Amino acid sequence: DADVTQTPRNRITKTGKRIMLECSQTKGHDRMYWYRQDPGLGLRLIYYSFDVKDINKGEISDGYSVSRQAQAKFSLSLESAIPNQTALYFCATSDGADRGGEQYFGPGTRLTVT
Amino acid sequence: AQSVTQLGSHVSVSEGALVLLRCNYSSSVPPYLFWYVQYPNQGLQLLLKYTSAATLVKGINDFEAEFKKSETSFHLTKPSAHMSDAAEYFCAVPVEYGNKLVFGAGTILRVKS
Repeated sequence: DADVTQTPRNRITKTGKRIMLECSQTKGHDRMYWYRQDPGLGLRLIYYSFDVKDINKGEISDGYSVSRQAQAKFSLSLESAIPNQTALYFCATSDGADRGGEQYFGPGTRLTVT
Repeated sequence: AQSVTQLGSHVSVSEGALVLLRCNYSSSVPPYLFWYVQYPNQGLQLLLKYTSAATLVKGINDFEAEFKKSETSFHLTKPSAHMSDAAEYFCAVPVEYGNKLVFGAGTILRVKS
């Protein structure tokens, strides 16, 4: 089984709808991250969490919220989806290394907002 | 703030040819640099990382990268391209506390038969 899983893998939704993307990990890592990928822009950090009680905004948090339900689960919500949130979303985890630790990525969720 | 720039959004090579993907980092010397690869319909996986221990870093699948302070570069190379190397490659640098990564824009590698 994959160490980092994301559900759903693909989602099409309409403008104004609320949507939640879920991430689960079995690596036992405290640190979890949400990124979005847009063509030509690479990946950009939306939110990150160092543990269940420590959640922080990333570079592009506007329009998004997160919930860390447990060490293993980190969900990303779009309260009112808009078309420019159409992107590929990745969840990642890392161990406690401050800067040199590897990040482990899920397979991604392709979100389309019409 | 630390940043990385990848030159060339698309690179095309023939099978068996040298692969060179370029990455330059911002002027302050980073303690770490990463190359990640994204195969079609998959998440990213680590190819290799620079940790100041050695300037020439070897990674998986015969990829390697050389850290050059004088050129502020960390280019990724592979002597002989294989069809399975077709993917998107990202250079990344951790910033601030907490191992948050800043990624380059990515380079899509196409391998021609």
